[in-house]
Amino acid sequence: SQELEQSPQSLIVQEGKNLTINCTSSKTLYGLYWYKQKYGEGLIFLMMLQKGGEEKSHEKITAKLDEKKQQSSLHITASQPSHAGIYLCGADKGGSYIPTFGRGTSLIVHP
Amino acid sequence: NAGVTQTPKFQVLKTGQSMTLQCAQDMNHNSMYWYRQDPGMGLRLIYYSASEGTTDKGEVPNGYNVSRLNKREFSLRLESAAPSQTSVYFCASSEGQGQFFGPGTRLTVL
Repeated sequence: SQELEQSPQSLIVQEGKNLTINCTSSKTLYGLYWYKQKYGEGLIFLMMLQKGGEEKSHEKITAKLDEKKQQSSLHITASQPSHAGIYLCGADKGGSYIPTFGRGTSLIVHP
Repeated sequence: NAGVTQTPKFQVLKTGQSMTLQCAQDMNHNSMYWYRQDPGMGLRLIYYSASEGTTDKGEVPNGYNVSRLNKREFSLRLESAAPSQTSVYFCASSEGQGQFFGPGTRLTVL
């Protein structure tokens, strides 16, 4: 969807480094989803954020939704090669639980 | 549990041919979805079914039809394939928050 902007588009990091991926919406969100897609495979649901200021963690991945509910950041601590893939954010703008997706951020982690 | 399964994994069609993509889920979810994923365009919703017996158009429904055969199965049909329908197609299911995705079908239309 053109309404969700993800940055950066791609990221290459050395194993062990921390990194952050951002997702910005032009409209207030009912919910913000984060998914991971391994290359050539389907998407895996990571977490959903609904409340302003909410923060959730999944293993070494932490995501936060800002107070205005228009931006979310996904942070990976001490990255590993297993974190490599495409991270997509999805916006639920109407409370339908049907996300509209951003274009994704491609992450490569070098051992 | 197999989760969400899709068949076939790969398909090559000629322009004008028809085919049906199959999707099944064994998680007893009410909602099912069909998406297409294209480079630079992200994931776009084609059709969805909120419950057995209902279907609704998504963002890019033109050129496609769907059938919610029962609670488990949701098929996507291309009646007359066009090169613009070359894509990777994903089926998903959900019950509330978070969708579960199948492995995808890579379709090439020549």
